[in-house]
Amino acid sequence: DAGITQSPRHKVTETGTPVTLRCHQTENHRYMYWYRQDPGHGLRLIHYSYGVKDTDKGEVSDGYSVSRSKTEDFLLTLESATSSQTSVYFCAIRKQPEQIFDYTFGSGTRLTVV
Amino acid sequence: SQELEQSPQSLIVQEGKNLTINCTSSKTLYGLYWYKQKYGEGLIFLMMLQKGGEEKSHEKITAKLDEKKQQSSLHITASQPSHAGIYLCGADSPDGSNYQLIWGAGTKLIIKP
Repeated sequence: DAGITQSPRHKVTETGTPVTLRCHQTENHRYMYWYRQDPGHGLRLIHYSYGVKDTDKGEVSDGYSVSRSKTEDFLLTLESATSSQTSVYFCAIRKQPEQIFDYTFGSGTRLTVV
Repeated sequence: SQELEQSPQSLIVQEGKNLTINCTSSKTLYGLYWYKQKYGEGLIFLMMLQKGGEEKSHEKITAKLDEKKQQSSLHITASQPSHAGIYLCGADSPDGSNYQLIWGAGTKLIIKP
């Protein structure tokens, strides 16, 4: 699809270890987002970016950090993974074709913290 | 803060039957998005509604935004196995911020053959 890829697709990690998830886009869109998806909660915003080195927190940012050193890459880091961070993580980009906002999502990363 | 409530949470429908999923907002909607998700995959954009009373259709799926812009419905006609998945509604922030979407918890749709 739309030139957005997430890596890895699946990861199992141990409690207390740092983990970095990568989101890569090929279309130079300004806005990028990291969400987590949990049963009963839908999608919850972790962090977002509105440009290189411009990031801000979402509603569930505790325990997470992000970096965006290049337009195309948005990295999500779990500083010290906990079992509560077991989730499916989605990256999204926001397009603005003709004033209609369109969000395109990556395929997700399923993270299990044991 | 604005909240989106989807109903039902899950739905099992016989193939060929019609169904409706609702998304109700606690505040006026400024932009309402419908996405579909298949298990283990990302979200696929279906439709976006902005104006009160607006209705859009794509193949057998029709989405409406009511006049008061606080509720949207997604209607599937003559359901097929390919319609199975999780349907999510999302809304632009009511304060005009264009950074974030608020999401409903999703409706899981199962189609019985």
